[in-house]
Amino acid sequence: SQTIHQWPATLVQPVGSPLSLECTVEGTSNPNLYWYRQAAGRGLQLLFYSVGIGQISSEVPQNLSASRPQDRQFILSSKKLLLSDSGFYLCAWIPPAGSGTQYFGPGTRLLVL
Amino acid sequence: GESVGLHLPTLSVQEGDNSIINCAYSNSASDYFIWYKQESGKGPQFIIDIRSNMDKRQGQRVTVLLNKTVKHLSLQIAATQPGDSAVYFCAENHLWNTGFQKLVFGTGTRLLVSP
Repeated sequence: SQTIHQWPATLVQPVGSPLSLECTVEGTSNPNLYWYRQAAGRGLQLLFYSVGIGQISSEVPQNLSASRPQDRQFILSSKKLLLSDSGFYLCAWIPPAGSGTQYFGPGTRLLVL
Repeated sequence: GESVGLHLPTLSVQEGDNSIINCAYSNSASDYFIWYKQESGKGPQFIIDIRSNMDKRQGQRVTVLLNKTVKHLSLQIAATQPGDSAVYFCAENHLWNTGFQKLVFGTGTRLLVSP
């Protein structure tokens, strides 16, 4: 069966510090991968998606970047965090020939102070 | 632009009642719809899906109804339990011609179940 992992689960970082959040998927190959951000009490905002290694598309201009160094690894990064980067970050995946259902990881809660 | 929205931000029900959560979508070309449940501090969890060639699909205690004429989607939960308390999101699927699949999510409805 397939599983998706995210770490860390929670993170408190000072403004201006770097960020690296990791997402890995097990039990599948060549998935579509997604990063979302969710503000408290709000919906999901798509940040990045990837259809393959090294292929990253950005949905909104922001202080963040994403990379996919391996088939089942998706990383969200920032060189200098802003207060507005606080939120709940979710990674999701779809099988390459899947029906369209996205399966989400447990999320990382980021607080920038 | 394309959007998926919800009629009610919060729904409060008594344990044992049936719950109905509504969703409106705007893209008539969408061919796949999904309902997710998100508990506090957790990632969204798949509940049930429906394709545009169907108007009803049933799962365990849940039913999704799709009305393409008015672009309306609903989630019905039978005999609602306290464990059903969560935020529920609808999402529509846009399958791009490159094979890339992108979901458009609604803003969510919070379901509160009182014992």
